[in-house]
Amino acid sequence: DAGVTQSPTHLIKTRGQQVTLRCSPKSGHDTVSWYQQALGQGPQFIFQYYEEEERQRGNFPDRFSGHQFPNYSSELNVNALLLGDSALYLCASSPNRGRVGEQYFGPGTRLTVT
Amino acid sequence: QKEVEQDPGPLSVPEGAIVSLNCTYSNSAFQYFMWYRQYSRKGPELLMYTYSSGNKEDGRFTAQVDKSSKYISLFIRDSQPSDSATYLCAMRNNNDMRFGAGTRLTVKP
Repeated sequence: DAGVTQSPTHLIKTRGQQVTLRCSPKSGHDTVSWYQQALGQGPQFIFQYYEEEERQRGNFPDRFSGHQFPNYSSELNVNALLLGDSALYLCASSPNRGRVGEQYFGPGTRLTVT
Repeated sequence: QKEVEQDPGPLSVPEGAIVSLNCTYSNSAFQYFMWYRQYSRKGPELLMYTYSSGNKEDGRFTAQVDKSSKYISLFIRDSQPSDSATYLCAMRNNNDMRFGAGTRLTVKP
């Protein structure tokens, strides 16, 4: 079992550009959550997808959007990038209504906005 | 005031020491309390989770929750160099999950 995988590992973008990050959940998991982790900070919840719909959203602007595919994989899109969007973006998967201990994180995508 | 407060450290201890990591929180609605370990350039890995006040032990790790004081702790006994990482506390109710900023721990051989 490969666990949660994310691509790309690193990404450098310029202010104003758009970016797409990808996540494949752990086998058997159908729920995907995205987090933003700024340097020296804990992860902050962006949103969660289940059955191809956004089920829950944190305090992030509409520039952050996502998608979930029928195979449960997911994308995070960020438009009009700002310098402050530079962070590690983490994907976590879990079974629907899973217990606390059943959420697994991927290694993250490090986004640098210049 | 942040909902979850965690001393960022850094914390440096000699191998074999007992390590104490702590978090305080303000939202009494939190029901689940977790500790994650995050190695450099990796995603967080769940170490332990507890529900309600009390202690939970797993090998060298003990998690403690005091809901009346809104205070949680993680103790690491016989610390090893491989324990060197950032430790994140996290708390959750039904629809909301919050992380602390993380404490960077170094265990020196």
